[in-house]
Amino acid sequence: QSVLTQPPSVSAAPGQKVTISCSGSISNIGNNYVSWYQQLPGTAPTLLIYDTSKRPSGIPDRFSGSKSGTSATLAITGLQTGDEADYYCGSWDGDLSAGHVLFGGGTKLTVL
Amino acid sequence: QVQLVQSGAEVKRPGSSLKVSCKASGGTFSSFPITWVRQAPGKGLEWMGGIIPVFGTPTYAQKFQGRVTIVADESTNTGYMELSNLRSEDTAVYYCARWIAAASAWFDPWGQGTLVTVSS
Repeated sequence: QSVLTQPPSVSAAPGQKVTISCSGSISNIGNNYVSWYQQLPGTAPTLLIYDTSKRPSGIPDRFSGSKSGTSATLAITGLQTGDEADYYCGSWDGDLSAGHVLFGGGTKLTVL
Repeated sequence: QVQLVQSGAEVKRPGSSLKVSCKASGGTFSSFPITWVRQAPGKGLEWMGGIIPVFGTPTYAQKFQGRVTIVADESTNTGYMELSNLRSEDTAVYYCARWIAAASAWFDPWGQGTLVTVSS
């Protein structure tokens, strides 16, 4: 059971917007940055968002991240069929000297 | 651009040990902070541990304490993850990734994954 809670699945039509939530606590999301990963079927995860809201080079601005309190959100606008994938949030839990990494359970995005 | 290439798939017997390698290329490394994440069939991502950026010391998830060892050889830009006393529940794809910042889950890039099957 993941300490970071994500909805198991979300769906939307092409061109629409979808949001994926990631709920945690003060010891992880509340006090630390959040990362988001996209995992296309049969492939390794790739970084989508780091430091809660920053995009690595090459990631389109259709993908955005935000945080409020102990919850984070990944938003995807202008949905494309190629966005169908599993999405995972991740965060450090604890302080710098003693902690660990947590992942959410993952959310399967279906583009209808 | 940094790329991580992992060793090939393995089949292991219960009780045996596993060692997976992860070689980095395409970049300049003053240190090689590496992390390992596994994914059981049909399941989500599970963090195992890694070499903490800047500090260069290993840290492990409590679940794997005493059973996993993660090291990095900067001279060859290769990281290793060793897991002992394997059981069937350890069947998974094991991924390495470069750990960018301490106290974060910022991992990039990832290796292609190594499928490990534990079966008698």
